[in-house]
Amino acid sequence: DQQVKQNSPSLSVQEGRISILNCDYTNSMFDYFLWYKKYPAEGPTFLISISSIKDKNEDGRFTVFLNKSAKHLSLHIVPSQPGDSAVYFCAARRSNTGKLIFGQGTTLQVKP
Amino acid sequence: GAGVSQTPSNKVTEKGKYVELRCDPISGHTALYWYRQSLGQGPEFLIYFQGTGAADDSGLPNDRFFAVRPEGSVSTLKIQRTERGDSAVYLCASSLGRGANYNEQFFGPGTRLTVL
Repeated sequence: DQQVKQNSPSLSVQEGRISILNCDYTNSMFDYFLWYKKYPAEGPTFLISISSIKDKNEDGRFTVFLNKSAKHLSLHIVPSQPGDSAVYFCAARRSNTGKLIFGQGTTLQVKP
Repeated sequence: GAGVSQTPSNKVTEKGKYVELRCDPISGHTALYWYRQSLGQGPEFLIYFQGTGAADDSGLPNDRFFAVRPEGSVSTLKIQRTERGDSAVYLCASSLGRGANYNEQFFGPGTRLTVL
């Protein structure tokens, strides 16, 4: 039972353009949604989060949008840079627990 | 400061053997998590500790898997009678306290376990 899904295994964009990574979830009880970034041979690194009571959260070049009615969230990276090339994981959790449920990941390649 | 460290970085064992994987969290982090990641998949939750006690062990796949954190710092994940399907990268993470601090989990580089 995959509660968090990332249906695009990979995405390739040109440097300077926008990258949009998508994530769908099935459990309406999730209270927080997160994005983590992972480089090869390293552990995932926290990027940005959003509470279920909000529909947008912005941090520099990164913005996460949440559409609760569609059970969908997306991460926008503007402008994309070659250093953003990594695997991006969407994750979700309920309030009062540290248990994260991760999606399968999307590999982003930003071409110079 | 130092991040989360995991030892060994690689472990190759034979089917049926016992293995221990160690995690040293960031100093002062009260929450510690174990995940495992198979090729092409996202991290899969196993267990997390708040202090010395297991707050949620719902992700442990069966009774061959056990984890301890006796002094609220270092944790050991123990796997008995290893099977080939246990082969994966085992990730440890730690974070401050509770609430919103659960969002930012600091991961170690992982231990790659290979069961032959």
